[in-house]
Amino acid sequence: DAGVIQSPRHEVTEMGQEVTLRCKPISGHNSLFWYRQTMMRGLELLIYFNNNVPIDDSGMPEDRFSAKMPNASFSTLKIQPSEPRDSAVYFCASSPPGAWDQPQHFGDGTRLSIL
Amino acid sequence: SQKIEQNSEALNIQEGKTATLTCNYTNYSPAYLQWYRQDPGRGPVFLLLIRENEKEKRKERLKVTFDTTLKQSLFHITASQPADSATYLCALDPNSGGYQKVTFGTGTKLQVIP
Repeated sequence: DAGVIQSPRHEVTEMGQEVTLRCKPISGHNSLFWYRQTMMRGLELLIYFNNNVPIDDSGMPEDRFSAKMPNASFSTLKIQPSEPRDSAVYFCASSPPGAWDQPQHFGDGTRLSIL
Repeated sequence: SQKIEQNSEALNIQEGKTATLTCNYTNYSPAYLQWYRQDPGRGPVFLLLIRENEKEKRKERLKVTFDTTLKQSLFHITASQPADSATYLCALDPNSGGYQKVTFGTGTKLQVIP
């Protein structure tokens, strides 16, 4: 079975450019999470969707970050304008419906470098 | 303030020995705790879940304990193998149940030496 698919795997861009990260969750999963991972801060939750609706976006750093989930099989995380401090690995994860302690299934991330 | 602490120092252990990793938390009352494994360049992979009313959970060579009084979870790998080398993350439920969100610790890097 296909896992969570993220694209691109690597992105290098210049400061000020718009960056769009993409995620396809596992079919049948109804919760989707975007995380950012850095050496200093570890894995931080940015936003959490349930049934395509944003439930908790308290981790989104600032207005430059936005996330959408137009349907159950696709989500985007956008940074506009990008800054060097946004450089990190961004992960998408999904989890199935059911009990609230369901494990999360992660993609292999997008390594983002802002020059 | 709320904190989840895992050993920031890498843990080196001889093959065949039992590796024990610690996850301590402060100012949380989690209904459950999860453990994940992360290999370089990959996303975390779920290993085990333990709920607040469970003292211990086992899966093959893995064992997790959960002490809500000490506010601590221990993760054991018995008969460790070089293939067990990875970073291990604990994640807990910050909302005391009913809400599908976890907060991760920063992880402990385990190196199993042949």
